[in-house]
Amino acid sequence: QKEVEQDPGPLSVPEGAIVSLNCTYSNSAFQYFMWYRQYSRKGPELLMYTYSSGNKEDGRFTAQVDKSSKYISLFIRDSQPSDSATYLCAMNRDDKIIFGKGTRLHILP
Amino acid sequence: SQTIHQWPATLVQPVGSPLSLECTVEGTSNPNLYWYRQAAGRGLQLLFYSVGIGQISSEVPQNLSASRPQDRQFILSSKKLLLSDSGFYLCAWGGGTYEQYFGPGTRLTVT
Repeated sequence: QKEVEQDPGPLSVPEGAIVSLNCTYSNSAFQYFMWYRQYSRKGPELLMYTYSSGNKEDGRFTAQVDKSSKYISLFIRDSQPSDSATYLCAMNRDDKIIFGKGTRLHILP
Repeated sequence: SQTIHQWPATLVQPVGSPLSLECTVEGTSNPNLYWYRQAAGRGLQLLFYSVGIGQISSEVPQNLSASRPQDRQFILSSKKLLLSDSGFYLCAWGGGTYEQYFGPGTRLTVT
């Protein structure tokens, strides 16, 4: 079983819709849970992080962590065409960050 | 502020040729440095990481190597490229347990 599993998509939704992106993981020792956004032909950039379980909100973005189910989610409200990108979930282990494969998201105008 | 540089941006190399990709970081000292490869369908694969000068850890056995000759310089090399080495190579530095800051990347095509 891979440490981090993420559906690669692509996921296409109309502008203004709520987007739900998810990852599962197997290592219960993970403590920080992150979401990175990567635009085409660019390096990933940190979007949000959560420590342990719970929710965190930042503008239109909400990150959720359920450690009992080993499941994390990113919700995007009022999605915009500029949100079209690949979203990678990530978790820390020692000095390293383990990334999911990323989900390609297309917001249709 | 911290800045990470990578060059070249794109590279086309024949099979069997050598490779040298360079990454430099500005605005921070003694950073953790990382080399990743991103290939279609395979996600972000950690290749090497370094916690200090001359300290390199390899994550995946392959024909690539890395070196850290200076505190803020990280080099990825190969003596003979394979077709399977094609991909998007990203350098990153670690800002903490949840942060990594990525460079602009090098798109390598091995022909």
